[in-house]
Amino acid sequence: AQSVAQPEDQVNVAEGNPLTVKCTYSVSGNPYLFWYVQYPNRGLQFLLKYITGDNLVKGSYGFEAEFNKSQTSFHLKKPSALVSDSALYFCAVRDLGYYGNNRLAFGKGNQVVVIP
Amino acid sequence: DSGVTQTPKHLITATGQRVTLRCSPRSGDLSVYWYQQSLDQGLQFLIQYYNGEERAKGNILERFSAQQFPDLHSELNLSSLELGDSALYFCASSREQGDTQYFGPGTRLTVL
Repeated sequence: AQSVAQPEDQVNVAEGNPLTVKCTYSVSGNPYLFWYVQYPNRGLQFLLKYITGDNLVKGSYGFEAEFNKSQTSFHLKKPSALVSDSALYFCAVRDLGYYGNNRLAFGKGNQVVVIP
Repeated sequence: DSGVTQTPKHLITATGQRVTLRCSPRSGDLSVYWYQQSLDQGLQFLIQYYNGEERAKGNILERFSAQQFPDLHSELNLSSLELGDSALYFCASSREQGDTQYFGPGTRLTVL
């Protein structure tokens, strides 16, 4: 089965500094990878995805992610963090089944705290 | 706002009871997914429907069932509730099965 791992529980970063949230994946075949963000008492918001093509994927709110096949990683990045970026971030991989079903397998999530 | 709506927002009930959670997908989306988020299990896939048909099952208990109606809204039925069923239940939808999933705001279920 496809899976992702988010090795850190919490990421603390000062406002204005670069933000990186790590994700590694384990898949058979080509990975379809996603990042979602969850704000308190809200649902998950889609940030970006990698299916094929450029290894650097640009997404919403200034976020981008770098796909690295040799390191089986898909780290989320933002050049300059904002206090409003404080939230729970989830990496996910698509587990494509026989009927083309499309379940997502999520990592445990990373709490990001941006310090003013 | 993703365009996916879920009702109710909060639900408090007792052990042994049965509840129904409702989800309306984004306009035009044919596929609906249900996920459970709990502190100990994280985010787990429960079940998927596509245009009214069940397409995939994940870690869904036998006490739980779901369906997707002709107007494409979906309901998740949870019965014989236990304390451990307390969680946030998310619905997501996508245009086709391989597309990006967009999540609703969730229903927070508390079983007392």
